[in-house]
Amino acid sequence: DIQMTQSPASLSASLGETVTIECLASEDIYSNLAWYQQKPGKSPQLLIYDASSLQDGVPSRFSGSESGTQYSLEINSLQSEDAATYFCQQHHDYPYTFGAGTKLELK
Amino acid sequence: QVTLKESGPGMLQPSKTLSLTCSFSGFSLSTSGMVVSWIRQPSGKSLEWLAAIDWDGDKYYNPSLKSRLTVSKDTSNTQVFLKITSVDTADTATYYCARSPLYQGGFAYWGQGTLVTVSS
Repeated sequence: DIQMTQSPASLSASLGETVTIECLASEDIYSNLAWYQQKPGKSPQLLIYDASSLQDGVPSRFSGSESGTQYSLEINSLQSEDAATYFCQQHHDYPYTFGAGTKLELK
Repeated sequence: QVTLKESGPGMLQPSKTLSLTCSFSGFSLSTSGMVVSWIRQPSGKSLEWLAAIDWDGDKYYNPSLKSRLTVSKDTSNTQVFLKITSVDTADTATYYCARSPLYQGGFAYWGQGTLVTVSS
């Protein structure tokens, strides 16, 4: 199985700031990486697919990038509604695997 | 409009077989390229992909659970099923069915999830 190592496990930031969440794949996943936002009691919402493609309807302050097997989600100009848990997921090969999650708290 | 909805028993006893149904609308699983997956999430933890079935009836399983999983679909291609045998407390989780847009990665469509509690 492909392991996805996500960091940090949690972070706290202020409104208007920029934060970055990272995922390291245990092998090459050829940009087949998705990012999700999940709020308590809700299903995950797809933000980014194919490492850097913005899902329809997702604000442009969310962006994805990659460097080798390291993938990053950047959230610019943090808004209060961005408080949530974020997960990465490789969609390169079965079994699809997810990162452990990053809980983002707004100060 | 694509919608998915999971249904299950809510609670069951250890060693029993868990049966889940994913009912969907807005697409047909007979469409080439279509795949529906099952994913679960214990409370406060990450997500675990379990199984998938595609338009051609091909099935894919998580090796860590493969011996206990069976995924299937109905002949009208509007429902997908998952059975998990010999459940124990570690199977307590919210179970989701999900789908990717055609020829795009990532799960853009999710059901609301159904909570399954395994307890004696």
